[in-house]
Amino acid sequence: QKEVEQDPGPLSVPEGAIVSLNCTYSNSAFQYFMWYRQYSRKGPELLMYTYSSGNKEDGRFTAQVDKSSKYISLFIRDSQPSDSATYLCAMTAGNKLTFGGGTRVLVKP
Amino acid sequence: DGGITQSPKYLFRKEGQNVTLSCEQNLNHDAMYWYRQDPGQGLRLIYYSQIVNDFQKGDIAEGYSVSREKKESFPLTVTSAQKNPTAFYLCASSSSWDRGVYGYTFGSGTRLTVV
Repeated sequence: QKEVEQDPGPLSVPEGAIVSLNCTYSNSAFQYFMWYRQYSRKGPELLMYTYSSGNKEDGRFTAQVDKSSKYISLFIRDSQPSDSATYLCAMTAGNKLTFGGGTRVLVKP
Repeated sequence: DGGITQSPKYLFRKEGQNVTLSCEQNLNHDAMYWYRQDPGQGLRLIYYSQIVNDFQKGDIAEGYSVSREKKESFPLTVTSAQKNPTAFYLCASSSSWDRGVYGYTFGSGTRLTVV
């Protein structure tokens, strides 16, 4: 079993819809949680990071962490075609960073 | 602009050859990393280096080698011992003070294909 599980998708939504992404994890030592966005043939770029359980908002993006359930989510409001990408969750225990497999998102105009 | 430069963008290797992927950063980061990305498998750590002249194996180091002679540079050699080298390779760096807990900066990647 992988330490971090993420549905590979693809997830297809119409423009303007809310995109909902999530990851589950098994290692309770994970402390910091991140979401990366990766466009095709590019390196990942950090979108958001959070430490504690609860919500963190940044513009159209909201990251949610539930440590008791070992579950993290990313919500994208008012989705745009430019949001079409692969979204990777990542989390750290100590100084080791572990990635989920990524979810491919397609926002259709 | 500060960032990470990976070259080449595309690389073709014949069976039995060694190839070296370049990674250069001008972010003044102490830590550098090499990841391999295969479809549906996320990123897997090959090697990492926290300081110059020191590096450690990651989860899938077999068939790979690295060096860290300069702070700015962390080249990866894919040797002929790597049985399935076709993949997308990503280099990353982070500030030593946070040990990457706030995330890494990634390069644009090198796509290696064995022909």
